Amino acid sequence: KAGVTQTPRYLIKTRGQQVTLSCSPISGHRSVSWYQQTPGQGLQFLFEYFSETQRNKGNFPGRFSGRQFSNSRSEMNVSTLELGDSALYLCASSPEGREGGEQFFGPGTRLTVL
Amino acid sequence: AQSVTQLDSQVPVFEEAPVELRCNYSSSVSVYLFWYVQYPNQGLQLLLKYLSGSTLVKGINGFEAEFNKSQTSFHLRKPSVHISDTAEYFCAVSDYGTGGFKTIFGAGTRLFVKA
Repeated sequence: KAGVTQTPRYLIKTRGQQVTLSCSPISGHRSVSWYQQTPGQGLQFLFEYFSETQRNKGNFPGRFSGRQFSNSRSEMNVSTLELGDSALYLCASSPEGREGGEQFFGPGTRLTVL
Repeated sequence: AQSVTQLDSQVPVFEEAPVELRCNYSSSVSVYLFWYVQYPNQGLQLLLKYLSGSTLVKGINGFEAEFNKSQTSFHLRKPSVHISDTAEYFCAVSDYGTGGFKTIFGAGTRLFVKA
C-alpha cells in the first residue's frame, strides 16, 4: 500500500499571503489529522477530519482551516500568513476502528513565511 | 484529561551503550501507548505500540518498551545503540471516546548517539 503523501514538500510564502497544503491518506483510512511542528512548541494538533467532517479541533486561530473530500484526501488552508506560521506541517491518517489510534504520518510540508 | 511527559529533552549516549528514554502519562481511562521516531526532515514513523496483553512490547530496530500501569510509565529502551538511532523520539497516548481516538504527543526526546 502506498503511504501518506503530502504536497508540496517545501513552500515559501510572504506575510499576508494564504497557502493550501494537500494530504492523501493511505487507501482505506478515513481519519486524517493535521499537526504543526516547530522547534519551540513541538508537535501541536490542528484538527482531525473523518468522513468529510471535522471531528476534533486543536487550539489554533480561525486562519487555520481544513476540509476533507469524499475520497478522504484532505487539504488545510492558512490565510493571512504570519512569520510564526513557519513550521513543518504533518498529516497523519488512521485506520479508524482498530489499532488503538495508531497514526501513519506523511513526510510533511515545510512552510517558510518571509 | 490525558497528558504525556517525556522526562528528558535530550539524551546523549555513546555508540553501543544502552539507552532508556522515559515517558510518563496521566489518564483517567484505559489508554493505548505508542513510541514514534522522527529522522531529520521526515515524518514520524511507529517504533512500537501497546494495545493490550503483555506489558513488554518489542518494536523495530531493536527497541522495546515496558508498560507499567501502577507507575503510569512507558519507557523506551535499547540495549546497544547505533549512530543511525540519532533522531527525535515521541511518546504518545491515545484513548477512544465519542470523537473517535484522541492522541496526545509528548514534547519529544532528542537522542544523540556519539561515536
